[in-house]
Amino acid sequence: NAGVTQTPKFQVLKTGQSMTLQCAQDMNHNSMYWYRQDPGMGLRLIYYSASEGTTDKGEVPNGYNVSRLNKREFSLRLESAAPSQTSVYFCASRALWGTGNTIYFGEGSWLTVV
Amino acid sequence: GESVGLHLPTLSVQEGDNSIINCAYSNSASDYFIWYKQESGKGPQFIIDIRSNMDKRQGQRVTVLLNKTVKHLSLQIAATQPGDSAVYFCAEIKNFGNEKLTFGTGTRLTIIP
Repeated sequence: NAGVTQTPKFQVLKTGQSMTLQCAQDMNHNSMYWYRQDPGMGLRLIYYSASEGTTDKGEVPNGYNVSRLNKREFSLRLESAAPSQTSVYFCASRALWGTGNTIYFGEGSWLTVV
Repeated sequence: GESVGLHLPTLSVQEGDNSIINCAYSNSASDYFIWYKQESGKGPQFIIDIRSNMDKRQGQRVTVLLNKTVKHLSLQIAATQPGDSAVYFCAEIKNFGNEKLTFGTGTRLTIIP
């Protein structure tokens, strides 16, 4: 049981390049999330998906797009990377409301935009 | 405005002592409050949560207290161990069915041997 798996773990991009962060969970969870964490700060929600086929914006969605490919996978795309998007990105998943508030996080993806 | 914040950014505690990490919130409409632990280079790990209609909840070596009168949340860790050194975040889920989980800035707990 791998939990939440993110790839890649580390990535360096040039300004203007695009890339996709991949996330998959094997816990049959309905909800999935993408957060970013900047140094010395808490996690800020970029996008989330309450169920397969739905996505919604979080606090800081600008510059990002997401795809809930199926129940397992939720990807985050940077179309034109900017230095302000240098951060650590965490994917997370959660079961249905009422079955617990445990949200499982991946190990993070360190992204540097130069 | 709405916020989930922490009183202190750092806390140092002697090994074996108890530690208390505090959190203030301003939105009384939250349904759940949750504590996470984040070790260096890793993702946050769920520790314990408490429903808004409760005052206290205990886990293994941890206790969460919720004081709705002053909108204050605390995490007590008993008999701290070196492995407790980490950043601790409080978080809240504001709306039933709304999946947005809002995090505070975090407190770095350092256990002194």
